[in-house]
Amino acid sequence: AQSVTQLDSQVPVFEEAPVELRCNYSSSVSVYLFWYVQYPNQGLQLLLKYLSGSTLVKGINGFEAEFNKSQTSFHLRKPSVHISDTAEYFCAVSVWHGSGGSNYKLTFGKGTLLTVNP
Amino acid sequence: EAQVTQNPRYLITVTGKKLTVTCSQNMNHEYMSWYRQDPGLGLRQIYYSMNVEVTDKGDVPEGYKVSRKEKRNFPLILESPSPNQTSLYFCASSLRRPTNEKLFFGSGTQLSVL
Repeated sequence: AQSVTQLDSQVPVFEEAPVELRCNYSSSVSVYLFWYVQYPNQGLQLLLKYLSGSTLVKGINGFEAEFNKSQTSFHLRKPSVHISDTAEYFCAVSVWHGSGGSNYKLTFGKGTLLTVNP
Repeated sequence: EAQVTQNPRYLITVTGKKLTVTCSQNMNHEYMSWYRQDPGLGLRQIYYSMNVEVTDKGDVPEGYKVSRKEKRNFPLILESPSPNQTSLYFCASSLRRPTNEKLFFGSGTQLSVL
C-alpha cells in the first residue's frame, strides 16, 4: 500500500525568503509523485509532477521539487516566495503497476499551509 | 474553457433529507472522482469512475452513492445525510488515469448538515 506524509502542517515565512515543504512517501515499488496547490476558496491545481527521468522537476510559479529515492522524499522548494504563494500545498503519490496495470489510486497527504507574511 | 463544474457552491440541509451534488466536465475525460476535505485530514476519496457505468469505492464511501450514466456527469448522492458528512466536497477529472496525469478539480461544494 502507498502512503504519503507531509511533515509540517503549517509553514509561516516572510516574503522573499526561501521555503521548503517536506513530503515523504512509503512504497515498495516505483512511484509517481505530484504536488498540488489550493489557493483560498478554490479547487486544487497541479503544480508539478515526477513520472521518470530527471529527479529535479520544475513546475509553475517558480516552484521545483527533487525526487530522492534513497530517502523516499519529494520536497517542494522555492528560492523566494511572494505573498501570492499563500496557499495549501498537497503532496500525492501513486504506484506504477506496469503498462497494463489497473491502478487508479492516487493518495494525497494531509496538506501544508504555507503563509507568506510581508 | 476546459473546466469541472460543481453545483451548488454552498448547501445547508437537515439530517435525513436526500440531496444531490452535481458535477460536470467538458473535456471528454474518462476518469472522474469525488473527494471530501476536512481540517487535519486532507483529501479523502469517496468514489471514482473509470468510464461510463464503471464506478468503484474510494477510502470513505459509506453514506454516499454515485452514478455515471453519461461521460460528462458524475453526481454525488447523499440518501440520508448526517452531521458527520458536513465537509468540503470536490469533484475531479482526468483524461484517463490520475496516477500519471493531471487531475482537474472543481471549485468545491461546502455542505453543512444540521
